[in-house]
Amino acid sequence: ETGVTQTPRHLVMGMTNKKSLKCEQHLGHNAMYWYKQSAKKPLELMFVYNFKEQTENNSVPSRFSPECPNSSHLFLHLHTLQPEDSALYLCASSQVLVGTDTQYFGPGTRLTVL
Amino acid sequence: AQTVTQSQPEMSVQEAETVTLSCTYDTSESDYYLFWYKQPPSRQMILVIRQEAYKQQNATENRFSVNFQKAAKSFSLKISDSQLGDAAMYFCAYRSAISGTASKLTFGTGTRLQVTL
Repeated sequence: ETGVTQTPRHLVMGMTNKKSLKCEQHLGHNAMYWYKQSAKKPLELMFVYNFKEQTENNSVPSRFSPECPNSSHLFLHLHTLQPEDSALYLCASSQVLVGTDTQYFGPGTRLTVL
Repeated sequence: AQTVTQSQPEMSVQEAETVTLSCTYDTSESDYYLFWYKQPPSRQMILVIRQEAYKQQNATENRFSVNFQKAAKSFSLKISDSQLGDAAMYFCAYRSAISGTASKLTFGTGTRLQVTL
């Protein structure tokens, strides 16, 4: 499945580093999402972009900063993270206005904050 | 707010047998969508099956089928003729049917399915 790609697949960073996660969708969709998957917790929605406009910010700390330059690309900029931010970060995309608006996911970025 | 509950943290099934994973949800909405996603060890979240709440007919996809009971707010997944490749975490998810806008998925905590020989 290569419809949604994410880079890097694994990232280890210190608390003072700045890094970015990248997501790209090749499905022609118009909405993109960031989810966080922590151990023993349900997936949590972080951000939603619909037609490049942010439509939802699920009370995410400001140390996470999303960017959606176009409908195919989504970034998550990270700075001054905490160890509890270690998790799997999943990107998804969907085509709004069509049918069930099914979300398709990328393989995720495994983030470890030291 | 909607909630999704998966009460079975782990399940086990023998190869070629049938297993049913449970999911219940809570919502005050009348129109919505339900999904089952599979997450194998690779961590890729893969869509297994989806159900529109306005459809009475249960969705099926090859060996996968659902038992959708709208009044009971129940949405179970049946896997027939289980295969080793079915071993994964299975997540039940809910989405509001608000048209014209991107809408979040609300996930359950997942059920880990083991397939034994």
